[in-house]
Amino acid sequence: AQTVTQSQPEMSVQEAETVTLSCTYDTSENNYYLFWYKQPPSRQMILVIRQEAYKQQNATENRFSVNFQKAAKSFSLKISDSQLGDTAMYFCAFMKGQAGTALIFGKGTTLSVSS
Amino acid sequence: GAGVSQTPSNKVTEKGKYVELRCDPISGHTALYWYRQSLGQGPEFLIYFQGTGAADDSGLPNDRFFAVRPEGSVSTLKIQRTERGDSAVYLCASSSYSGGNTGELFFGEGSRLTVL
Repeated sequence: AQTVTQSQPEMSVQEAETVTLSCTYDTSENNYYLFWYKQPPSRQMILVIRQEAYKQQNATENRFSVNFQKAAKSFSLKISDSQLGDTAMYFCAFMKGQAGTALIFGKGTTLSVSS
Repeated sequence: GAGVSQTPSNKVTEKGKYVELRCDPISGHTALYWYRQSLGQGPEFLIYFQGTGAADDSGLPNDRFFAVRPEGSVSTLKIQRTERGDSAVYLCASSSYSGGNTGELFFGEGSRLTVL
């Protein structure tokens, strides 16, 4: 079975600073996807960034980037130039590459951005 | 619709009652997922539909929980004889699947169920 572990229940950062959220996972699969989702107080999950396991290059989406270490099964999220609107709960998630499989979530990290 | 729609947004019921939660996925999305999220926790997988059939219902906690998707679009999650421990936010997500797993799920805002 796959597991996703987020070891930081809460993080805080000042506006304009950089913060890194940690995630590790366990799987015997070779083909899979990793995701970071953001959940603001409105409850709706929003995809932040996605990484295909077969790609060596780390994914980047504007201020968000990942550090994907496949051998170490580590998938951290870096948020640069933090903004107040980044305040939310962040979930790391894993999905096997086969069709019709569920997204497995970690327990989340609550990020607070202050001015 | 433009996004995944879930109704009701909030539901308060009494222990022992029956509830239904509805999910209207993004038009054309064949895959539909139900998750349960307790306060301060990550979403927990309940069931996955591909079309009309439940392809994976391994996450349903017990036989009080049941979900249907009769026409391959709207889905209803049904909970019988509700218990206080069923209180949570129930999230629905849909995904476009065309023979390959793109991996991206689109979520609704959830239905918050409170069992008194």
